[in-house]
Amino acid sequence: AQSVTQLDSQVPVFEEAPVELRCNYSSSVSVYLFWYVQYPNQGLQLLLKYLSGSTLVKGINGFEAEFNKSQTSFHLRKPSVHISDTAEYFCAVTPQAGGATNKLIFGTGTLLAVQP
Amino acid sequence: EAGVAQSPRYKIIEKRQSVAFWCNPISGHATLYWYQQILGQGPKLLIQFQNNGVVDDSQLPKDRFSAERLKGVDSTLKIQPAKLEDSAVYLCASSTGIQETQYFGPGTRLLVL
Repeated sequence: AQSVTQLDSQVPVFEEAPVELRCNYSSSVSVYLFWYVQYPNQGLQLLLKYLSGSTLVKGINGFEAEFNKSQTSFHLRKPSVHISDTAEYFCAVTPQAGGATNKLIFGTGTLLAVQP
Repeated sequence: EAGVAQSPRYKIIEKRQSVAFWCNPISGHATLYWYQQILGQGPKLLIQFQNNGVVDDSQLPKDRFSAERLKGVDSTLKIQPAKLEDSAVYLCASSTGIQETQYFGPGTRLLVL
């Protein structure tokens, strides 16, 4: 079974400051990793994903994440945030090939609150 | 390209009533998912379809929840009878196939009073 931990339920940050949203996972098998963003009253939008290859993954809106297998982490970063980045961010994993299902297992989310 | 469509966007019902949600996936997407997102939690998969067959419904409360995807395109999720704890956002997602990126709809926000 897999589980995802997002320790920070809320991260307040000032506009143009850097930010890191933390994500750790637990799994007995190899996984694919994802970050989704959810704006108020909207569905989830894929920010980026790690399937294989380079451990540094670049996504949309200037976000990037680094996969660290030894620490089972997949932290999300942005060097300079904007007010428009205020949203809920979800980290998720799914087991790699071998099963009939690829359901996403989500963390509890981190609210990024960007202040002027 | 049109995204995943869901309706209604909001629904308020009383406990023990029934309710149904509708999802139209992105054209050509064979795999369809229903997730339940309770306030303060991440989404949890309820059921996954591959075309019109069920791939995973292990977390679907089958005594009250049902879902179908008869023609392998649109899908409906039904709750009968609803309980207070069913208050949540119900998200539909689709992908071209298993192991492909999932695209989410805007969700249906259900409040059970």
